[in-house]
Amino acid sequence: DADVTQTPRNRITKTGKRIMLECSQTKGHDRMYWYRQDPGLGLRLIYYSFDVKDINKGEISDGYSVSRQAQAKFSLSLESAIPNQTALYFCATSRTGANYGYTFGSGTRLTVV
Amino acid sequence: AQSVTQLDSQVPVFEEAPVELRCNYSSSVSVYLFWYVQYPNQGLQLLLKYLSGSTLVKGINGFEAEFNKSQTSFHLRKPSVHISDTAEYFCAVRANTGGFKTIFGAGTRLFVKA
Repeated sequence: DADVTQTPRNRITKTGKRIMLECSQTKGHDRMYWYRQDPGLGLRLIYYSFDVKDINKGEISDGYSVSRQAQAKFSLSLESAIPNQTALYFCATSRTGANYGYTFGSGTRLTVV
Repeated sequence: AQSVTQLDSQVPVFEEAPVELRCNYSSSVSVYLFWYVQYPNQGLQLLLKYLSGSTLVKGINGFEAEFNKSQTSFHLRKPSVHISDTAEYFCAVRANTGGFKTIFGAGTRLFVKA
């Protein structure tokens, strides 16, 4: 099994619908992140969590919410999806400490029509 | 705050040729630097990182990068590329004290031709 698992891998949803993207990890890392990837823009941080009780907004959190259900699980919700939220979404984890790199999931490709 | 600029959006190169992917950064504090690779339909994986010490850092798959503090650059190099190196490469920076956010560049798509 992958260290960081994202579900679903692909999803098409309609404007206005609520959708949840899920992420689970077996790395034992405390820190978890949600990023959004758009062509030519790289990755932009949506939310991050340092532990179950510590959740923080990233640079583009509007329209998104998150839940850290356990150390290993971090879900991202779009309360009312809109077409410009069409993107590739990545969950990542890391150990505590700035010198550690990230472990990424395989991504969720979301299309809002 | 930190920022990252990847100077080339696409780099086409023939197989077995050398390649350099350029990355410049800006920061008011000392930073750690990273290169990640994203193969088609996959997540990103860490290629190498610079934390301190020797400015030449070796990573996986024969890649290496050189940290140049005076030019605020962290260019990625490989002396001889393979078709399998075709991927998107991301440079990233994080403050080395109190740093919790990694800032990614826009990516460079490396296309290796036969």
